[in-house]
Order: sequence, then C-alpha cells, then structure tokens
Amino acid sequence: GAGVSQSPSNKVTEKGKDVELRCDPISGHTALYWYRQSLGQGLEFLIYFQGNSAPDKSGLPSDRFSAERTGGSVSTLTIQRTQQEDSAVYLCASSLNEGYEQYFGPGTRLTVT
Amino acid sequence: AQKITQTQPGMFVQEKEAVTLDCTYDTSDPSYGLFWYKQPSSGEMIFLIYQGSYDQQNATEGRYSLNFQKARKSANLVISASQLGDSAMYFCAMREGVTGRRALTFGSGTRLQVQP
Repeated sequence: GAGVSQSPSNKVTEKGKDVELRCDPISGHTALYWYRQSLGQGLEFLIYFQGNSAPDKSGLPSDRFSAERTGGSVSTLTIQRTQQEDSAVYLCASSLNEGYEQYFGPGTRLTVT
Repeated sequence: AQKITQTQPGMFVQEKEAVTLDCTYDTSDPSYGLFWYKQPSSGEMIFLIYQGSYDQQNATEGRYSLNFQKARKSANLVISASQLGDSAMYFCAMREGVTGRRALTFGSGTRLQVQP
C-alpha cells in the first residue's frame, strides 16, 4: 500500500520568504507527526496531531512555524520569514494511533539561502 | 538530562557477524515504548522493532532483537548475521505514554558500517 508522501522533495528559498511543506499520511492513520533533522540538532519533534484533539505544538521552535491538518488527513507545515537556521530535512510520520510505530515519509530538504 | 543516549557514534562489523548497538533511556513515566529505526543513505526512516515497557519478553523481528534491561534502562539492538545492506544510521527512540510527550524522542544515532 501507499506510504507517507511528502512534497516537495527539495525546496530552495531565499531568506525571509514563506514556505509550505505538505504531508500525506497513510490512509486510516489518525496520528501525524512532524520532525526536523539537521546536522547540529539531530532529530527534533515539531508538532503532533491526534484525531480531533488539539495538536501538541510544544516542539515548534518559534512562532514563525505553524501547521494544520485538514480533514484528519493531509497536513501542511508553514514556515514564515525563513531563516538560514531553518535549513534542514523536514520529516513527516504517521501512525495508526498514538503509541503505535510511526511510519516516515521521505522528507523535504529545505535550503534557505 | 538526555532522554535517549546512544554512546557509539560509529560501529564496524564484519559481514555475517552479529553486532549490538547500545541505547540507554531516562524516564519516570511508568508506561513507555522504545523503538529502533534505520536510516540508510537514501534518508528514509525505516521502523525496525518496538518494545513496550510492560512487555515481559524481549522483542524480536527477523534478524533484529531488542535486549531490554528495564532496571538498567537499556534497550540495545542486536543485529544477527549482518549484511552489507545493514550499513546505515540507526536511531533509538522513546515515546512516553502517560506524563510525557507522545511523539518520539530520538537519540543521536549510531552509524553502522558492515565490511565484506
């Protein structure tokens, strides 16, 4: 079956621009997670959606970062006024329910110039 | 304090031999889960194995087994009969079930290189 998909696979943007990253989770998975992987920081949690509950935003590094999940499926991570330190691979994962293993997408490599 | 500690930045193993990748964790949550993921050079994170804090037996999945020592707070991954395709980064991760974050907290990873 189809796995988690993310788009775009690569994004190069100029400092100060806004970017949107998209995640399509596995069908039927109620939990969706965003992580960031960078050389200096390893893998960091950003935000977590579970069903209709309020998202856990505790990992978002600043108010320039936001995310939404529409219809309990597709999610969009938005970074406003991008900075060079935002350059990283952004990974999306989904799981059948919270507590189950998470399946990751291929990631979006963001480069801020 | 680090929640997940992987003390081996890099490991080498000969093809067909077994290798143990270390992972220790820190939590006061009585319910938690421990996960191992593989990340090849292609970048995708691949789920390998899961151990729940209340599981009585060590988890096994094919050539992967998890040496879970709860009192020592360790959850080492054992790969038997290493193959060249096992060369990758390996991450240990924890999810805290009751009081902690439900998302995964990852260790810094161990880069495994399998030599022919």
